[in-house]
Amino acid sequence: KAGVTQTPRYLIKTRGQQVTLSCSPISGHRSVSWYQQTPGQGLQFLFEYFSETQRNKGNFPGRFSGRQFSNSRSEMNVSTLELGDSALYLCASSPHEGARTEAFFGQGTRLTVV
Amino acid sequence: GNSVTQMEGPVTLSEEAFLTINCTYTATGYPSLFWYVQYPGEGLQLLLKATKADDKGSNKGFEATYRKETTSFHLEKGSVQVSDSAVYFCALSVGAGNMLTFGGGTRLMVKP
Repeated sequence: KAGVTQTPRYLIKTRGQQVTLSCSPISGHRSVSWYQQTPGQGLQFLFEYFSETQRNKGNFPGRFSGRQFSNSRSEMNVSTLELGDSALYLCASSPHEGARTEAFFGQGTRLTVV
Repeated sequence: GNSVTQMEGPVTLSEEAFLTINCTYTATGYPSLFWYVQYPGEGLQLLLKATKADDKGSNKGFEATYRKETTSFHLEKGSVQVSDSAVYFCALSVGAGNMLTFGGGTRLMVKP
């Protein structure tokens, strides 16, 4: 079974631009979550989607948004990029609706804002 | 709110030494607890989990016991290998959904 796939793996953007990151969950998984990982703040939860609906949201500004499609693939978008948005963005999928099930992570997208 | 506190790293050990990484948590509700491991350049992999008090999660020689009375979930391994060198994250999930709250991570370095 293929794992969680994130594209692209690496991205360099300029301040003020916007970016879209993509995540394909494990086949059959309906829950997709996004996390931001930085050396200073560690791993922080961005949002979770289940069946195309946002189920949980972390404490991030409105510049960070996401969506989920009917095939469970998910995208996250960051508008008006700031230098502080440079991070590893991790996507995780979980197998079913049940709460607190294990998450399977992708390798991440490394975003650098210059 | 919910939070996880892990011991600061890095932890440096010689091969075959005993490993303990401390993890304590604060949660509103009754959490599930997890240990994840991250190897260089990789995402996170689930190492083990426990869903209720006194549960012991175990995998690849690693163990952790859910201690509700001390709100702890310490990770242990009897004999570490060089290949165990990685960053270890303790995490909890509580309430609806699969949102994880992570500790700050502990880097483990094992020397031959």
